[in-house]
Amino acid sequence: QLQLQESGPGLVKPSETLSLTCTVSGDSISSSHYYWGWIRQPPGKGLEWIGNIYYTGSTYYNPSLKSRVTISLDTSKNQVSLKLSSVTAADTAVYYCARTLVVADIFTFDYWGQGTLVTVSS
Amino acid sequence: DIQMTQSPSSLSASVGDRVTITCQASQDISNYLNWYQQKPGKAPKLLIFDASNLETGVPSRFSGSGSGTDFTFTISSLQPEDFATYYCQHYDNLPPMLFTFGPGTKVDIK
Repeated sequence: QLQLQESGPGLVKPSETLSLTCTVSGDSISSSHYYWGWIRQPPGKGLEWIGNIYYTGSTYYNPSLKSRVTISLDTSKNQVSLKLSSVTAADTAVYYCARTLVVADIFTFDYWGQGTLVTVSS
Repeated sequence: DIQMTQSPSSLSASVGDRVTITCQASQDISNYLNWYQQKPGKAPKLLIFDASNLETGVPSRFSGSGSGTDFTFTISSLQPEDFATYYCQHYDNLPPMLFTFGPGTKVDIK
């Protein structure tokens, strides 16, 4: 059974870098069938796609966050990482990692982690 | 950029009611649209992909339709476990990859 687990600091200071890790179990992040993505949700608000990464290392980012985001893979640990720099209070959100299944040019977020709340505050 | 809108933003309904949510794209997105359900404190769950295809294991009371710019999500007979927020989501599979969520529709108990 595929499981995704986000981890990282729950509190980050303004202007610093938010760093999260998604540990994947039950499947390999090196599979060509999937991308791996990050989505966030500010408290009480909707969902915002942050970015995706393919097993080749190719990355795709939300243009509104692109200048501050880095997503990477650690295949030895089967982990996907997210870094978001120069954070402000507006980056306070629950951060989800999700598997993106690709079948015949159809893209779905078919498995999600439970999410982790990151608060930006001094 | 493609913008996604949903209506209504919230609705109140009773068990057994037929519920319909609409999602509109700012330009033609063919059928590149998915629907998700999110319950409080939980991650979203995929219900419908490619506008009208039911995800495996999802009850048949859920359905989706539409193409181009106008899409509809329907719950044929609302069940107690269906009270949640529903999001449409567009995917652009041509480079650069892009995913855009609608603002959501909260379905609560009348």
